Amino acid sequence: NAGVTQTPKFQVLKTGQSMTLQCAQDMNHNSMYWYRQDPGMGLRLIYYSASEGTTDKGEVPNGYNVSRLNKREFSLRLESAAPSQTSVYFCASGTGDTQPQHFGDGTRLSIL
Amino acid sequence: GDSVTQMEGPVTLSEEAFLTINCTYTATGYPSLFWYVQYPGEGLQLLLKATKADDKGSNKGFEATYRKETTSFHLEKGSVQVSDSAVYFCALSLGNTGFQKLVFGTGTRLLVSP
Repeated sequence: NAGVTQTPKFQVLKTGQSMTLQCAQDMNHNSMYWYRQDPGMGLRLIYYSASEGTTDKGEVPNGYNVSRLNKREFSLRLESAAPSQTSVYFCASGTGDTQPQHFGDGTRLSIL
Repeated sequence: GDSVTQMEGPVTLSEEAFLTINCTYTATGYPSLFWYVQYPGEGLQLLLKATKADDKGSNKGFEATYRKETTSFHLEKGSVQVSDSAVYFCALSLGNTGFQKLVFGTGTRLLVSP
């Protein structure tokens, strides 16, 4: 079982460039999440989608947009990357009435 | 606001030693509590959870008890292995039934030597 698949695994961007992080899950989960992980700060929720067709802001949404393309896919877009967005990004999914259960392996993003 | 505080790491132990990783929380209402584990180069995995006071979550030899009176959820294991080396995150849930968001602690790195 693939679980939660994130692409790419690594990316280096220049300030001002845009990119989209992709996430797909094959567990038929309703809810999907995007987190960022920074040293000494744990994981912080960027956006989440409780079900197909809905998205909501988390703790740190500024500078990001998301799209819940269908039940399987939930993408995160950086329109104009900034060095403060250098982080490791994790996508997660859950059944919708419980906590996030499955995380992807992460995308390590560096912005110069 | 709601928050989770974990002990600073790294925690360095020899194989077969007893493990305790402290976690305390601040929350309005009665949250559910979780421990996640992150092995090197991987995403987080749910290790165990407890949904109400005095509940004990357990998995893979790890245990944690939801202590409302001390607002704590300490992780314990009687005999650690080298393969337990990882970062451990304590978390609490927010939100009503139907959807939960998590607040994470900063993580505690565990290093187990042979």
